[in-house]
Amino acid sequence: QLQLQESGPGLVKPSETLSLTCIVSGDSISSRSYYWGWIRQPPGKGLEWIGSIYSSGGTYYNPSLKSRVTISVDTPKNQFSVKLSAVTAADTAVFYCVRHGLSRVSGSYWLFEYWGQGTLVTVSS
Amino acid sequence: QSVLTQPPSVSATPGQKVTISCSGTSSNIGNNYVSWYQQVPGTAPKLLIYDNNRRPSGIPDRFSGSKSGTSATLGITGLQTGDEADYYCGTWDGSLSAPYVFGTGTKVTVL
Repeated sequence: QLQLQESGPGLVKPSETLSLTCIVSGDSISSRSYYWGWIRQPPGKGLEWIGSIYSSGGTYYNPSLKSRVTISVDTPKNQFSVKLSAVTAADTAVFYCVRHGLSRVSGSYWLFEYWGQGTLVTVSS
Repeated sequence: QSVLTQPPSVSATPGQKVTISCSGTSSNIGNNYVSWYQQVPGTAPKLLIYDNNRRPSGIPDRFSGSKSGTSATLGITGLQTGDEADYYCGTWDGSLSAPYVFGTGTKVTVL
């Protein structure tokens, strides 16, 4: 069974860079072609898709965050990461790493089949 | 700000049926597949429906999805106390706002 686990600092100072890693277990990130992504949820608010990366490296980003976000894959370590620069208090959120699914009927990748438990990152001095 | 609009809350007694609407536009729901996610308080969201109306393995058939034009609907029959959660729709968006967008979320309360 695939499992995802987010790791990283729970507190980041304003203007600094938030860095989180998602450790993948139960399958190899490179064994099959899937998208891997990040979604965040500010406290008490809804979900916001941040971006996704294909197992071979191609990326999609939310345009509202694109200038500040980088998502990368580390195949040997079986993990992927997100970096969000120049953070402010508005970036305080629970961050989830996800693995997209693949519909064998429609061929769509745009379904989030597996989720990590989430990690709260607070931006504060 | 989300481009997919859902009612903030719906409620019903155990055993009843509830429906949750998700309203969008031709750039998102109108031309793409819709997914639905259930988020029990304090936990990560879970995929309930994909491709508008398909259920992943393990999701009971009490949950159903449909789409018509630029709106989608999630239905829950035989409501149970364990269904009390937040529900979000989501879909690809072909406009420049964001490749993937979620709905505003709906809180389901079991009375």
